[in-house]
Amino acid sequence: DQQVKQNSPSLSVQEGRISILNCDYTNSMFDYFLWYKKYPAEGPTFLISISSIKDKNEDGRFTVFLNKSAKHLSLHIVPSQPGDSAVYFCAASLTGFQKLVFGTGTRLLVSP
Amino acid sequence: DSGVTQTPKHLITATGQRVTLRCSPRSGDLSVYWYQQSLDQGLQFLIQYYNGEERAKGNILERFSAQQFPDLHSELNLSSLELGDSALYFCASSVGLRLAGAPSSYNEQFFGPGTRLTVL
Repeated sequence: DQQVKQNSPSLSVQEGRISILNCDYTNSMFDYFLWYKKYPAEGPTFLISISSIKDKNEDGRFTVFLNKSAKHLSLHIVPSQPGDSAVYFCAASLTGFQKLVFGTGTRLLVSP
Repeated sequence: DSGVTQTPKHLITATGQRVTLRCSPRSGDLSVYWYQQSLDQGLQFLIQYYNGEERAKGNILERFSAQQFPDLHSELNLSSLELGDSALYFCASSVGLRLAGAPSSYNEQFFGPGTRLTVL
């Protein structure tokens, strides 16, 4: 039972353009969402997060949007840079439960 | 650098063997988590320890066990290894427990570089 889904395994974007990575979830009880970036041979790196009481959180070039009614969140990267090329995982958590539930990841390739 | 360390980085062993993976959390973090990532899969939660005690269990096989020591480092023991156990094993740490009223930063888990286990 995949509670967090990233339906696009890969995304290619040109440098300077916007990258939009999407994530859907099925459990309406999730109340905190996170995005991680992962380079090859490294562990996931925390990028940005959002609480379910908000619909937007911004940090520099990264913005996460949450649409609770659609059970959908997205990560916008503007402008995209070649160094952003990595696998991006969305994750969800639930108060009282300690684990993070991860999607399967989207590989982003930003070309110069 | 997340501040979480894992050893060894690579491990190659044979079926039926037993291995131990080691993790040291970030300074000040009391929670340690173990995750498994198989090929083309997301990270699957295995188990969590908080200040030496087991707090949560996920899809962890009975052949696997873990513990957290008084200095807060943790070890994941994998025994009777099978080919399907080949995967990346990540350790993560966080400040505290994700309970009602806890700061939102308690949601953030910081990952080590992982141990790549290959079972031949």
